[in-house]
Amino acid sequence: EVQLVESGGGLVQPGRSLKLSCAASGFTFSNYYMAWVRQAPTKGLEWVASITNSGGSTYYRDSVKGRFTISRDNAKSTLYLQMDSLRSEDTATYYCTRGAGIGWGQGVMVTVSS
Amino acid sequence: DVVLTQTPSILSATIGQSVSISCRSSQSLLDSDGNTYLYWFLQRPGQSPQRLIYLVSNLGSGVPNRFSGSGSGTDFTLKISGVEAEDLGVYYCMQATHAPDTFGAGTKLELK
Repeated sequence: EVQLVESGGGLVQPGRSLKLSCAASGFTFSNYYMAWVRQAPTKGLEWVASITNSGGSTYYRDSVKGRFTISRDNAKSTLYLQMDSLRSEDTATYYCTRGAGIGWGQGVMVTVSS
Repeated sequence: DVVLTQTPSILSATIGQSVSISCRSSQSLLDSDGNTYLYWFLQRPGQSPQRLIYLVSNLGSGVPNRFSGSGSGTDFTLKISGVEAEDLGVYYCMQATHAPDTFGAGTKLELK
């Protein structure tokens, strides 16, 4: 069974950092590009960042460029999102997704507030 | 960025009714490789999104065949032939032809 399990969310003050993890199982992780998609409370879906299957290329939405870093460890079948200089507008549920939304995790909440 | 405009924003339907959702793109989604990277998702209340349709018209694994996708270029449609109670939620289209990937604003399907 394909599973994506996010962790690492929580309440953090503006300007601080947080690192999300997504543990994958049930498929060959290294074969898929992966992405993070977020959803602010009561809002729609917003793509955040993607990474190719080898990790050689990464892509970011403009509003997180220079602050967020997506990475992966294929040996551990784990996807990461390092989030620095967090802002209140980064408050959202963050989903880990496989490929073009083939599979989604349950989501992890990140709240940026003083 | 490519803007995807979904209509309607709210759709009221009765069980068994057939409905359609439109997704219009600000640019053609036909890629140079010949594929059109347009997808449809359903997010049921309190759940993560689920992919229904990939590459415009291909049904995802385990997705009932009352769902169908069509379209080309800039105009795309998701049709549900006979709404069932489990279909209620918010539908999103997404494009991955042009970076960055973008989503439509969503269409909420509710019971009339």
